[in-house]
Amino acid sequence: AQSVTQLGSHVSVSEGALVLLRCNYSSSVPPYLFWYVQYPNQGLQLLLKYTSAATLVKGINGFEAEFKKSETSFHLTKPSAHMSDAAEYFCAVTPRGWNNAGNMLTFGGGTRLMVKP
Amino acid sequence: DTGVSQDPRHKITKRGQNVTFRCDPISEHNRLYWYRQTLGQGPEFLTYFQNEAQLEKSRLLSDRFSAERPKGSFSTLEIQRTEQGDSAMYLCASSPTGQGAPNEQFFGPGTRLTVL
Repeated sequence: AQSVTQLGSHVSVSEGALVLLRCNYSSSVPPYLFWYVQYPNQGLQLLLKYTSAATLVKGINGFEAEFKKSETSFHLTKPSAHMSDAAEYFCAVTPRGWNNAGNMLTFGGGTRLMVKP
Repeated sequence: DTGVSQDPRHKITKRGQNVTFRCDPISEHNRLYWYRQTLGQGPEFLTYFQNEAQLEKSRLLSDRFSAERPKGSFSTLEIQRTEQGDSAMYLCASSPTGQGAPNEQFFGPGTRLTVL
């Protein structure tokens, strides 16, 4: 069974600093990979997804993530944090293949990003 | 379109009672998913529908849980004889059906269940 690990349940950065949120997956075949953001009292919103094109994926709000097969990683970055980026971030995967027609997502435990003024 | 909606947003119940939640997906979406999120954890898949057919159920979905999507539009999730361990946020998501790479799942705001 595949799994997703997000290192660091809480990350704190200063406004304007680099944001780096880590995600590692475990599956023999690289899955489809996603990053979602969850603001308080709101549903999860897709930031970006990796399917099979470029390994560097750009998303909304200035976020991007790089797929590295050798490291089984899909870390999320943003060059300069903004106060409005404070939220919970979830990495998720769904396996490739004919037997996953439903594309159910497996989520990591989440990382809460705090941005200090 | 207003996105995925869920009702109620909050539900407090006593142990042993039955509860039912409703999800209204984005109107043109064939697929509808239910996930459960406990405090401090990521969402966990419960079940999904393709139109009115329930095609997959997680082992997390005990016999006390039942989900329906009778006309392929809205869905209900019922929990019978609630237990304190059922306390969680119940999330609904919908997506269109497509070929190849998965389409985005759009999530509702969730129903927070507290079992006393």
